[in-house]
Amino acid sequence: GQSLEQPSEVTAVEGAIVQINCTYQTSGFYGLSWYQQHDGGAPTFLSYNALDGLEETGRFSSFLSRSDSYGYLLLQELQMKDSASYFCAVIHTGGFKTIFGAGTRLFVKA
Amino acid sequence: DADVTQTPRNRITKTGKRIMLECSQTKGHDRMYWYRQDPGLGLRLIYYSFDVKDINKGEISDGYSVSRQAQAKFSLSLESAIPNQTALYFCATSDLPRDGGPILYNEQFFGPGTRLTVL
Repeated sequence: GQSLEQPSEVTAVEGAIVQINCTYQTSGFYGLSWYQQHDGGAPTFLSYNALDGLEETGRFSSFLSRSDSYGYLLLQELQMKDSASYFCAVIHTGGFKTIFGAGTRLFVKA
Repeated sequence: DADVTQTPRNRITKTGKRIMLECSQTKGHDRMYWYRQDPGLGLRLIYYSFDVKDINKGEISDGYSVSRQAQAKFSLSLESAIPNQTALYFCATSDLPRDGGPILYNEQFFGPGTRLTVL
């Protein structure tokens, strides 16, 4: 089967750097995506890694290593508004189904 | 402004009732999705559609059905609602793969969600 595992919660201090990991077990996928969801809101797209390596978008970076079945989202210069849930997701090559991880709740403290 | 809308936003119903959740989009996307979200379980795919003649089951399609009435409309039905279908339901859309090559990009745009409670 296919599954993605993320830590359930992470806490960090404003201004710091935090890394949210995503490990997966799936037979084939097109790439790894990350979404952010604030309480009461809808998920919004953050980044996508089709190939191994690091993708940078402002304060956020995302990394993928297919050989290690592992990816992460890196948030720098944390702000209070970054407190949210973060989900990794893959598009499975079998039928193009999108599979999401259970999400990581990030708490940013002052 | 291009958008994904869902109706109703909140619904309380009783066990055994038939419920329809509607999704409309003005983004011009061909691909549409229905997810449910439960605490601690993330988003789980119920059904997805890549065009009006293409409907596919997701991870958890049992107890649900869908209808793709037009490119812009994708409805989710619960034929006989049960309490464990109480959840937050999201509709999403996405564009076609870029450049005709392998799917290298699939940003999904989500609606605001429908909170469904089945008593």
